[in-house]
Amino acid sequence: LAKTTQPISMDSYEGQEVNITCSHNNIATNDYITWYQQFPSQGPRFIIQGYKTKVTNEVASLFIPADRKSSTLSLPRVSLSDTAVYYCLVGNTGGFKTIFGAGTRLFVKA
Amino acid sequence: EAGVAQSPRYKIIEKRQSVAFWCNPISGHATLYWYQQILGQGPKLLIQFQNNGVVDDSQLPKDRFSAERLKGVDSTLKIQPAKLEDSAVYLCASSVIVSSYEQYFGPGTRLTVT
Repeated sequence: LAKTTQPISMDSYEGQEVNITCSHNNIATNDYITWYQQFPSQGPRFIIQGYKTKVTNEVASLFIPADRKSSTLSLPRVSLSDTAVYYCLVGNTGGFKTIFGAGTRLFVKA
Repeated sequence: EAGVAQSPRYKIIEKRQSVAFWCNPISGHATLYWYQQILGQGPKLLIQFQNNGVVDDSQLPKDRFSAERLKGVDSTLKIQPAKLEDSAVYLCASSVIVSSYEQYFGPGTRLTVT
């Protein structure tokens, strides 16, 4: 199982772009990269998933370099409501072993 | 579409007592998961069901924890007897397919064992 490493915490200001990098050196060929967001007193929420290059949705973008040993979650123009814990997970659907690390605590300040 | 429902939202019990949590997944989701989330940590998978069969319960402390999913819909997670270290949020999630990376979580049940 590919292990992931993320920064423990990050601070940002409203309106800035935030990039959270996840390292997954042992990623397997058929593994996907998935990110979840968790607000206080709520369960995690799936936000984005990708395999290679770039994926974008209404919430975030996910950048994956060619070697796939890392990935970057990009949140454009964050607001106070983006303050949350962000988790990076790696695995393949159908054989996905859901292992959450401690995640990255993002604090957005006014 | 209704989300994953869990009850109760909060529970306080004394150690050695028993407790049960209930989960109703999103309609049509065949796979159901129970997680334990200790304060400051990420969720830890306890058990995964596909319909009413267990797919993975390797991290379930079977001497005190049990779970069932009768008829492949609702599920109940029980702890008997509870220990202080069981204080945590218990999260239920569901997905369309087994072992999916795209899971939908409920709000959780916060358990405090005193």
